[in-house]
Amino acid sequence: IQLTQSPSSLSASVGDRVTITCRASQGISRYLAWYQQKPGKAPKLLIYSASTLQSGVPSRFSGSGSGTDFTLTISSLQPEDFATYYCLQLNGYPLTFGPGTTVDLK
Amino acid sequence: QVQLVQSGAEVKKPGASVKVSCKASGYSFINYYMHWVRQAPGQGLEWMGMINPSDGNTDYAQTFQGRLTMSRDTSTNTVYMELSSLKSDDTAIYYCARKMIAPFDIWGQGTMVTVSS
Repeated sequence: IQLTQSPSSLSASVGDRVTITCRASQGISRYLAWYQQKPGKAPKLLIYSASTLQSGVPSRFSGSGSGTDFTLTISSLQPEDFATYYCLQLNGYPLTFGPGTTVDLK
Repeated sequence: QVQLVQSGAEVKKPGASVKVSCKASGYSFINYYMHWVRQAPGQGLEWMGMINPSDGNTDYAQTFQGRLTMSRDTSTNTVYMELSSLKSDDTAIYYCARKMIAPFDIWGQGTMVTVSS
């Protein structure tokens, strides 16, 4: 199962609403997770089962979608949110990640 | 606290093998599958495979079939990832991450493996 993400990168300002899209090459129900990765650090789980917020993750992060189309939304971008975001499908093996979306400062 | 601690950086020559360890603490080791993910410099994330610490069963990505071996030691709560016939393309950071309901909620700190002649 191939995953694509759009955009590949975006520039935004603090306070902006940011939306990242992940599309699967075939239906994956809601077996999708989102991760945030900062330089030199391991990825951090944000969302799983398409829309379940991981414990401790701020509520400004939300996920939606099912089947082939999914979105990650950051309602009000904060300085600590500048990072690269990856989606991961868990519908079947091999697990596959999207190519990533880098969010940087405008 | 719940954590995964990986072994240190490695430098290997092409054709050699590398074995990376991942020691779990703070939770029931046998109740969580352990996965390995790698990231080449400046690149994205690539799933390599997984092991069930309870029975040792494994599942590897086709890309690594024949070169990858995962194992575990339940007496020390440690899983191992061994990659053989190393090539320069295998230069990457290798991560272990646990999975149950919340997938990859805990990650190791990563182990840099450099393959260079």
